[in-house]
Parts: sequence; C-alpha cells; structure tokens
Amino acid sequence: GENVEQHPSTLSVQEGDSAVIKCTYSDSASNYFPWYKQELGKGPQLIIDIRSNVGEKKDQRIAVTLNKTAKHFSLHITETQPEDSAVYFCAQRGSSGSARQLTFGSGTQLTVLP
Amino acid sequence: SQTIHQWPATLVQPVGSPLSLECTVEGTSNPNLYWYRQAAGRGLQLLFYSVGIGQISSEVPQNLSASRPQDRQFILSSKKLLLSDSGFYLCAWSVIGGNEQFFGPGTRLTVL
Repeated sequence: GENVEQHPSTLSVQEGDSAVIKCTYSDSASNYFPWYKQELGKGPQLIIDIRSNVGEKKDQRIAVTLNKTAKHFSLHITETQPEDSAVYFCAQRGSSGSARQLTFGSGTQLTVLP
Repeated sequence: SQTIHQWPATLVQPVGSPLSLECTVEGTSNPNLYWYRQAAGRGLQLLFYSVGIGQISSEVPQNLSASRPQDRQFILSSKKLLLSDSGFYLCAWSVIGGNEQFFGPGTRLTVL
C-alpha cells in the first residue's frame, strides 16, 4: 500500500527565516501531492498542491517541489511569520481505489519564533 | 461557495455509550465524502469514504460505522464507545474525479 514519510516532526525557525519540510512516498504511480496547514483545534486547510507533470509550484511565500525520480516532494516557506506556526501535513493520492483517497504524512509542527 | 459543517464540535462520552457524529456539505452535489480520525494531534487516518448515497467503504476494522442517508450528509456512529475511540474526527469532501479534499472543522471526542 501507499506510504508517506514526513520529516522533520518538529521545526523551529526565527521569524523571517525559511522553513523546509520534506516527504517521501512509495507509490510510483502517485500523481497528486497536496500540502495542508492545521491550526490548533481546527480542520486542515489546503494551502498548495502539485501534480506530477510539474516540478515546482509557487504561491507567494509558499512553494512546493516534486522529484518523481526520487519520489520525494518538499514544502518551502520563505520569510516566515508567527502566523505560519501550525502543523503541516503532506499527502499523496494513491493510484488505487475509486474515491481518490489521500495518504497523509505524520505531520510537522512548525514554530516561528518572533 | 461550498461549506462543510460538523457537529458537535466537542463531545465527552462514557465508555459503552453510543455515538453519532454528523457532517453536512453545502454548495455541491454528489460529493465524495470521507471520515478521518486524528489521534494525538498528528496523523490523519482514513476511516470511511463514500462515493454516493448508501455506498460506504471501510478502510480499517474498528468499533465505528458510517452511513450516508442523503447526498450531502455523512454520519459516523458507534453502538458502544471504547476508550481508544477518543480523538479528533474530521469529515472531508471532494468532487467526483477531483483531487482536492476539503476538511470540516472537526469534532473532538473524549471517551471517559
């Protein structure tokens, strides 16, 4: 079955610095890779996603890169702000199943220190 | 625009009591619906998904069941709660054939 490994589990950065979170996956047929941000006590919110026909996607301070050969993808947050503090989850859509299930990483607690 | 609702927001139940959590989606038709459980504030585990009314697929054997009595309503149930059922339960939806899944606000369940 599909498996997604996410690192690091916790990450602290100074405000203004960059943060990078990495995920590796096992299903070589996966073709959709979203990233979610979850604030305390709330549901996860989709912040950016990438499809397998693209190597990089950027949205303001957030970018995602995908290396299909190595089967890993990363979230990059530049110029971090205290409001970026949250738990971030990567996910990948499996190649099997009729409902396009997502398999999630275990999450990264990002803390941006003022 | 589409919105997804879950209730209750929090719930404290004794062991052995029944459970019913409800999820409804507005602004879309015939969505795929999902129930996830999140333990210890971290990873999301898919419990059930549904591609249509009355169609439920279970991902993991457990003490829970799901039902979809209406197109945009998804219910998570249990006849007798266990301590291990405590967690944060999230409902999500997606359009058929779509990639993105959108999550509700979640229900915090504590079983004592």
